[in-house]
Amino acid sequence: GQQLNQSPQSMFIQEGEDVSMNCTSSSIFNTWLWYKQDPGEGPVLLIALYKAGELTSNGRLTAQFGITRKDSFLNISASIPSDVGIYFCAGAPSGGYQKVTFGTGTKLQVIP
Amino acid sequence: DAGVTQSPTHLIKTRGQHVTLRCSPISGHKSVSWYQQVLGQGPQFIFQYYEKEERGRGNFPDRFSARQFPNYSSELNVNALLLGDSALYLCASSLGLAETQYFGPGTRLLVL
Repeated sequence: GQQLNQSPQSMFIQEGEDVSMNCTSSSIFNTWLWYKQDPGEGPVLLIALYKAGELTSNGRLTAQFGITRKDSFLNISASIPSDVGIYFCAGAPSGGYQKVTFGTGTKLQVIP
Repeated sequence: DAGVTQSPTHLIKTRGQHVTLRCSPISGHKSVSWYQQVLGQGPQFIFQYYEKEERGRGNFPDRFSARQFPNYSSELNVNALLLGDSALYLCASSLGLAETQYFGPGTRLLVL
């Protein structure tokens, strides 16, 4: 099945550094979502974006809905050890959570 | 309040067998979605149910079926299991079709 392209696939960073990851699609989405998944658990929603160009923050996390509606970006500032996990982007063609397509994931490791 | 619960947590089956996975949504949630997450990939959308009716179907064969009960709990059934069906099966619930989805911890299925 279709999956959105996320980059980088994995990254090692030093605690305190900022992190950037992005997600691209060949299709237009009207909803962009960012999730974090820890081992043995289901994904947890971090940020939801509903409008092209929208920039939304959740604590140290900031995400943007690309103008073309085919991409999205997630930034994490001042990383801490508990940021370790797999980050997934996801898109939905409608304005909600129907037929959500997930990305391939970015595995983040933080070195204390 | 209890989150989304899924049972069983782990399951081992052999090729050709049938499996039934169960999901209880968060109290008050009327929509349930099912996702398959193969190791190393993002979740893939299988089905979405709302008010006991199928409202979306992903690109999965007819061996996969689901239903939602009057109490909004849901079952995912997979017939004639293949080795490639080995995955984490995630259930997500939401108040409605356009509301935030909350994921359960998943059922890990291994097909031998």
